[in-house]
Amino acid sequence: KQEVTQIPAALSVPEGENLVLNCSFTDSAIYNLQWFRQDPGKGLTSLLLIQSSQREQTSGRLNASLDKSSGRSTLYIAASQPGDSATYLCAALNSGNTPLVFGKGTRLSVIA
Amino acid sequence: EAGVTQFPSHSVIEKGQTVTLRCDPISGHDNLYWYRRVMGKEIKFLLHFVKESKQDESGMPNNRFLAERTGGTYSTLKVQPAELEDSGVYFCASSQDRWARTGELFFGEGSRLTVL
Repeated sequence: KQEVTQIPAALSVPEGENLVLNCSFTDSAIYNLQWFRQDPGKGLTSLLLIQSSQREQTSGRLNASLDKSSGRSTLYIAASQPGDSATYLCAALNSGNTPLVFGKGTRLSVIA
Repeated sequence: EAGVTQFPSHSVIEKGQTVTLRCDPISGHDNLYWYRRVMGKEIKFLLHFVKESKQDESGMPNNRFLAERTGGTYSTLKVQPAELEDSGVYFCASSQDRWARTGELFFGEGSRLTVL
């Protein structure tokens, strides 16, 4: 059974800092791994999706990496801004017809 | 194009009452999913519809929860009778292909349920 863990649970950084959010998963037989963003009272927005055959994906100031062998993914945010403040969720999709499994998320606060 | 819409955004009911949550997926999306987030816990899968059929309902907590998707369009999730531990945010998502393997998974803003 897939389990996804995110560390840290909360993070507060000053504006402009580069930061890394961590995600680990127990079952390496994943089909893909996704990073989502959730703003308070809002739904989840997909940020980056990494297929199992890929090592990383980039979108603007965001870069997500995937290391299947070690069961880890990281989300790197460059030059953080107050608008980046949100909860970031990592979710793993395994092969077969099993559901997408989420971590608890990391609540990020970027202080101006 | 409208996204995934959920109604109500917030519902407050007393223990023992019934609540029905509704989800309208993106038009044309055959796959519809219900998830729930209880405070302090991760977002957990409840069930998956493909058109009007339940593909996977392994995450449904118990028989007080009933999900339907008549006609393969919108879906409802009924909780009857509601218990305190049912409080949380219920998310709906939809995708064109199963589990959005080749596309994107779109989430609604959630329905917050508070059971007093």
